[in-house]
Amino acid sequence: GDSVTQMEGPVTLSEEAFLTINCTYTATGYPSLFWYVQYPGEGLQLLLKATKADDKGSNKGFEATYRKETTSFHLEKGSVQVSDSAVYFCALSGGSGGSNYKLTFGKGTLLTVNP
Amino acid sequence: DTAVSQTPKYLVTQMGNDKSIKCEQNLGHDTMYWYKQDSKKFLKIMFSYNNKELIINETVPNRFSPKSPDKAHLNLHINSLELGDSAVYFCASSPDRVNHNEQFFGPGTRLTVL
Repeated sequence: GDSVTQMEGPVTLSEEAFLTINCTYTATGYPSLFWYVQYPGEGLQLLLKATKADDKGSNKGFEATYRKETTSFHLEKGSVQVSDSAVYFCALSGGSGGSNYKLTFGKGTLLTVNP
Repeated sequence: DTAVSQTPKYLVTQMGNDKSIKCEQNLGHDTMYWYKQDSKKFLKIMFSYNNKELIINETVPNRFSPKSPDKAHLNLHINSLELGDSAVYFCASSPDRVNHNEQFFGPGTRLTVL
């Protein structure tokens, strides 16, 4: 079945540092890939997505590129802010088994940004 | 103008009780979902419904029974609550079954079973 592996946290950075959160996936077919963010005490919000190989998703200074050859979708941001502190989830939909009716999530990475 | 709403936000109850969580979306979406987030933040699909029809039941115990009275609502009823049911439950919706569609999440219901 489908699976998503993302780097274990927690990740602690100083403001303005560079962020990378690694994400790799296992799926057959052509899944869509997502990064969701969960701020403390809230539900999940879509951060960015990519629906085919070589697509780059971007939002709020975050970027991720869908790499089919390495089955990866790493999240990056050039300069993090304290307000970026949250849990980040990599997810996929529509992989093996053709299921478009669910998101398969990675385990989440807690990011803390200190001033 | 909340997109996906859940009630209650917090639910504390005793083992063995029966409880319900309600979910409503005002986005006009066809597909709704329930996810469970455990204490380590891991999220897993429980159910998905498309046009009121059950599509996915991801090996959830039959003590959990979803009910979709109409496309805008997907409620979750849990019988005989157990300690292991303690978690945050998220409802979500999406426009249809196309895999690139974003899912919109509710704020979550934190269930604590004592």
